[in-house]
Amino acid sequence: NAGVTQTPKFRVLKTGQSMTLLCAQDMNHEYMYWYRQDPGMGLRLIHYSVGEGTTAKGEVPDGYNVSRLKKQNFLLGLESAAPSQTSVYFCASSYTAGPYGYTFGSGTRLTVV
Amino acid sequence: AQSVTQPDIHITVSEGASLELRCNYSYGATPYLFWYVQSPGQGLQLLLKYFSGDTLVQGIKGFEAEFKRSQSSFNLRKPSVHWSDAAEYFCAVGAGNNDMRFGAGTRLTVKP
Repeated sequence: NAGVTQTPKFRVLKTGQSMTLLCAQDMNHEYMYWYRQDPGMGLRLIHYSVGEGTTAKGEVPDGYNVSRLKKQNFLLGLESAAPSQTSVYFCASSYTAGPYGYTFGSGTRLTVV
Repeated sequence: AQSVTQPDIHITVSEGASLELRCNYSYGATPYLFWYVQSPGQGLQLLLKYFSGDTLVQGIKGFEAEFKRSQSSFNLRKPSVHWSDAAEYFCAVGAGNNDMRFGAGTRLTVKP
């Protein structure tokens, strides 16, 4: 099925380790987003991209980096994981920033111990 | 920046009963408003959206929502709830600036 694919689905990291989450979309969307979801806090925007080669900070960018080398892929990196980064991470994409809504991936559950 | 409040953390309704989930937003102009549903272990799925025109919008799965500018609200409704509607529901507000804000969510439990 067409849509947004996130890998991996689950991961456990030790404090200080690094990892990269991959998001891939096949809808030719220009805009891509990384959110984290924590209980009672809804989704908070980490970083986003408005096109290939562009990235920008969202509401909670500290401790994360991103890259958009190809239009269909948006990578989220954690250089030195901390327990506070334990969360469920969602990638989303959209055609524009307008009133179209987002298409979400199924999420990556990350635990940092 | 825009913000969203969902006053109800958890709601329980009986199957077949009507449902209303509340959403209030804060934004200076008319925002883009959305409702998403999230089933356990899944991503968010768009139920419906409003950005202009008729203030009562219809969505998928029999849901509808009404935009009330005077109350800064965008409440989600369904006349008759099915057991499969049990999920978490998120209201979101966008301003066309790549900063869509989500509410904290309302978890819906459906009693048989």
